[in-house]
Amino acid sequence: QVQLVESGGILVKAGGSLRLSCAASGFNFNDYYMSWIRQAPGKGLEWVSNISGGGKYTDYADSVEGRFTISRDNAKKSLYLQIHSLRAEDTAVYYCARVAVGVIIGVFDYWGQGTLVTVSS
Amino acid sequence: DIQMTQSPPSLSASVGDRVTITCQASQDISDHLNWYQQKPGKAPKLLIFDASNLQTGVPSRFSGSGSGTDFTFIISSLQPEDIATYYCQQYDNPLFTFGPGTKVDVK
Repeated sequence: QVQLVESGGILVKAGGSLRLSCAASGFNFNDYYMSWIRQAPGKGLEWVSNISGGGKYTDYADSVEGRFTISRDNAKKSLYLQIHSLRAEDTAVYYCARVAVGVIIGVFDYWGQGTLVTVSS
Repeated sequence: DIQMTQSPPSLSASVGDRVTITCQASQDISDHLNWYQQKPGKAPKLLIFDASNLQTGVPSRFSGSGSGTDFTFIISSLQPEDIATYYCQQYDNPLFTFGPGTKVDVK
């Protein structure tokens, strides 16, 4: 069965950096776009970034463009999110999600359990 | 960016009631609209994709309709396990956006 397991969430000071990881299993990882989606405490969902199956194409939300970098290692079946210049507003649970195959991408059919990033000022 | 609105922000209904949630996009998104359920402390779960298609394994009491800018999500007979927040999400534009959510409680 499809499994996505995030890790790397920590308490970090504003201005710092960290890398989140997502380990995938149960499907042909390199066939799928993958995404990061976050949720601030008590708030709604915010899409953060996408990456194509081969890693060539990426997209970012305006709120994170230039500070976040999405990447993947298909040999390790792993997805990553490198975050720099952390701000208080980056405090959130970060989910990795699989993007369903389709003519137009954008359906998140499987989600991990999330990893919490807390940014202190 | 495409903005998504949902109404109501929250609702309380009795077991067996029909529950209706609406979602509106700031511009035409065709049928590029999904619905997710998020239970407290859990990850979201895909219920409906392409506005009206039920994801495999999702009970048939859930349904969706609409196209363009106006969409509707219905729970035909509310069950206790349906207590959750429901989100719509557009994918017409690569900068995907979610609605603010509708919190559903059982009376």
